[in-house]
Amino acid sequence: DVKVTQSSRYLVKRTGEKVFLECVQDMDHENMFWYRQDPGLGLRLIYFSYDVKMKEKGDIPEGYSVSREKKERFSLILESASTNQTSMYLCASSEGRRQPQHFGDGTRLSIL
Amino acid sequence: GESVGLHLPTLSVQEGDNSIINCAYSNSASDYFIWYKQESGKGPQFIIDIRSNMDKRQGQRVTVLLNKTVKHLSLQIAATQPGDSAVYFCAENSGGSNYKLTFGKGTLLTVNP
Repeated sequence: DVKVTQSSRYLVKRTGEKVFLECVQDMDHENMFWYRQDPGLGLRLIYFSYDVKMKEKGDIPEGYSVSREKKERFSLILESASTNQTSMYLCASSEGRRQPQHFGDGTRLSIL
Repeated sequence: GESVGLHLPTLSVQEGDNSIINCAYSNSASDYFIWYKQESGKGPQFIIDIRSNMDKRQGQRVTVLLNKTVKHLSLQIAATQPGDSAVYFCAENSGGSNYKLTFGKGTLLTVNP
């Protein structure tokens, strides 16, 4: 079974802090994704990566950056956290384009 | 905490009944579709997928039907159980070299014992 592990289930940070969310997958997948999920808005893609050190913007990249130094690890960075970034953050990985994305259990992030 | 089930269409069924969850997709060029199940407090879980060269695919207790003419996808769950209670949503890949999935908003399925 594919295992996607997100480092924290719950996180509370303050406005202006730099926040790191970590994600690790154990299936040697090429592609990794970061989403946020908000009630009524569904899943929205922030960034994705199709190879080590490669990244592409998703639909809502503003205020975020990513890092993929190793194939199994994909980090999401909130450069200067703001209250409107309070959300559930989900990481996913997939083997290829027409392959399912497999998700972690999410990090519920609150920015105070 | 907040539920992903807020503001969603809902379907309520009796245990043992069959459930049908529908999804209208937006892009006629989409060539790959996935159904996910999301339980409260968990990430989306892959259920079943289908490529556009098929119109039906079956898994264990689940069947996905694809009607490309009207851009409609459905998920049928046989003999629905209380453990099937969750939010279900579809996703489409728009084809080409694009890795992005577009997700539907979801349907909240409640199974009554």
